[in-house]
Amino acid sequence: KAGVTQTPRYLIKTRGQQVTLSCSPISGHRSVSWYQQTPGQGLQFLFEYFSETQRNKGNFPGRFSGRQFSNSRSEMNVSTLELGDSALYLCASSLLAGEVANTGELFFGEGSRLTVL
Amino acid sequence: DAKTTQPNSMESNEEEPVHLPCNHSTISGTDYIHWYRQLPSQGPEYVIHGLTSNVNNRMASLAIAEDRKSSTLILHRATLRDAAVYYCILGKNSGGSNYKLTFGKGTLLTVNP
Repeated sequence: KAGVTQTPRYLIKTRGQQVTLSCSPISGHRSVSWYQQTPGQGLQFLFEYFSETQRNKGNFPGRFSGRQFSNSRSEMNVSTLELGDSALYLCASSLLAGEVANTGELFFGEGSRLTVL
Repeated sequence: DAKTTQPNSMESNEEEPVHLPCNHSTISGTDYIHWYRQLPSQGPEYVIHGLTSNVNNRMASLAIAEDRKSSTLILHRATLRDAAVYYCILGKNSGGSNYKLTFGKGTLLTVNP
């Protein structure tokens, strides 16, 4: 079956702009998590959505937001971009929220690489 | 967030076993220990996870200390394709169906031919 699909794969923005990234989870998966990966901070949890509701949130400013649609597809938005937002943004899906505890498995996409100039 | 401590890097030779250590002294009773790895230019992929008992799967083995304050990921015969960053992660259940994985910096494994 198809894996987690993230679009776009690469994008370049300038400071002050906003960006929307999209994630299509594996068919049947209802939980989507977002992570930011930078060389300095590593992989940091942004938020998790399940059944269109945000279940968990990491320590990121309000400029970072997300949503999930009824078909489980998710988008994340970053407003008023800063240079430090340049990163690889990874989306991961799992069958159910909390299901990770039983199966241990999050399925990651290949990420969207954002460069802010 | 519960923290894990891993060596920044390790080196191994092809065909030899690799033991990747992880310390998690602040682990609580309901925290699962997860291992993921990230190959170059890819998203992380699941390797193995466990709670108290040692675990084996087709990719690796997970040895968990009796006090659960440390664990070791064992690759039985390293191949060049195993070169990756390996993350040891504690999964925290914050109630209900809220479950969060907190990634650390990981261990960069280099496999020499």
